[in-house]
Amino acid sequence: KAGVTQTPRYLIKTRGQQVTLSCSPISGHRSVSWYQQTPGQGLQFLFEYFSETQRNKGNFPGRFSGRQFSNSRSEMNVSTLELGDSALYLCASSLNREDAFFGQGTRLTVV
Amino acid sequence: AQKVTQAQTEISVVEKEDVTLDCVYETRDTTYYLFWYKQPPSGELVFLIRRNSFDEQNEISGRYSWNFQKSTSSFNFTITASQVVDSAVYFCALSEFMNYGGSQGNLIFGKGTKLSVKP
Repeated sequence: KAGVTQTPRYLIKTRGQQVTLSCSPISGHRSVSWYQQTPGQGLQFLFEYFSETQRNKGNFPGRFSGRQFSNSRSEMNVSTLELGDSALYLCASSLNREDAFFGQGTRLTVV
Repeated sequence: AQKVTQAQTEISVVEKEDVTLDCVYETRDTTYYLFWYKQPPSGELVFLIRRNSFDEQNEISGRYSWNFQKSTSSFNFTITASQVVDSAVYFCALSEFMNYGGSQGNLIFGKGTKLSVKP
């Protein structure tokens, strides 16, 4: 059974650009959550999607957005990138919103 | 407010030593879940265990064991006879239960404990 797949694994972007990250959950899982990991702030919740609906949102500016498709795949978008957006972005999928299985993450570097 | 505290930032042990990673949590809810994850240098968070607040039984899985004590709001993790492959950052996390079906889907993580096991 395939795990959570995140693409791309690495990205380098310039300040002011926008970026889209993708997450394919484990087959059958309907809940997808996104987290940002930085050395200073640790792991912080961005948002959660369940059956294409955003169920919960963390304390991040509106530049961070996401969506979920009918096949449960999810994308997150960050517009007008700032240096502080450099981080490891992790996606987690869940079958019953109790367990959470993570992908390997996308490491975003903003220069 | 919900909070998870992992007071140990870094621990270094020699192979075959036992090591306990501490986790203390705060929540106002009576129903919640607690998790432990392992993060090797590759970056992926590897799920180790989930406990719900109604199940205080300790659990053992091979060299891993977990001690959940609601009275002290702690969920500690012990590795017995540590090995070099156990070297990683370990995170404790809390998830609260929402009325609309299952957990909130929002994990609150501690800052992590970096474990180094030397040969």
